[in-house]
Amino acid sequence: GESVGLHLPTLSVQEGDNSIINCAYSNSASDYFIWYKQESGKGPQFIIDIRSNMDKRQGQRVTVLLNKTVKHLSLQIAATQPGDSAVYFCAEWVGAGKSTFGDGTTLTVKP
Amino acid sequence: EADIYQTPRYLVIGTGKKITLECSQTMGHDKMYWYQQDPGMELHLIHYSYGVNSTEKGDLSSESTVSRIRTEHFPLTLESARPSHTSQYLCASSKSLTGGSLGELFFGEGSRLTVL
Repeated sequence: GESVGLHLPTLSVQEGDNSIINCAYSNSASDYFIWYKQESGKGPQFIIDIRSNMDKRQGQRVTVLLNKTVKHLSLQIAATQPGDSAVYFCAEWVGAGKSTFGDGTTLTVKP
Repeated sequence: EADIYQTPRYLVIGTGKKITLECSQTMGHDKMYWYQQDPGMELHLIHYSYGVNSTEKGDLSSESTVSRIRTEHFPLTLESARPSHTSQYLCASSKSLTGGSLGELFFGEGSRLTVL
């Protein structure tokens, strides 16, 4: 069967390694997803988004993968840097202009 | 850089006091939101607004109230603060979907409330 990455509340990686952060969403009808990064003491900031008619989207050092069959989203960060240390949230649009946020993953980058 | 501002950033207040958390944005966004977040935890939507004179309750029940008299301003009020209201409150705004944007949220830096 197909394996799906588990959501982990914390993730620790070595500087320079790639990071993969997973998220499961709940609403099959959601058609838009966003990853946010929240640094300590700040509000969340947009990283990358993806529409439901896509299964992959790439940005600068980040890639989002969408698997609608199992309602799973992942964020891949290439060559992770200390400045990437933060809490990462996925969010899905549930209609009427509202977003629902998933459980966050705290990423710690070790030098 | 987002132009959305929250004040105060930090507030420590006694039980029973009335408080208002201010939120203003200069981007002309019609949609505004209030989220409640405990440290390191997920965000819960408590109020949202689609425009002037429009306010709706979110998914998480809250004793707070909001108003939207001007497009740029979306204050949140607690009439009688209690220790259970201790949390971080995040304000956000987004463009209208009809504008072609699918609604990235722009967040303020949050107001951290402690009720003793």
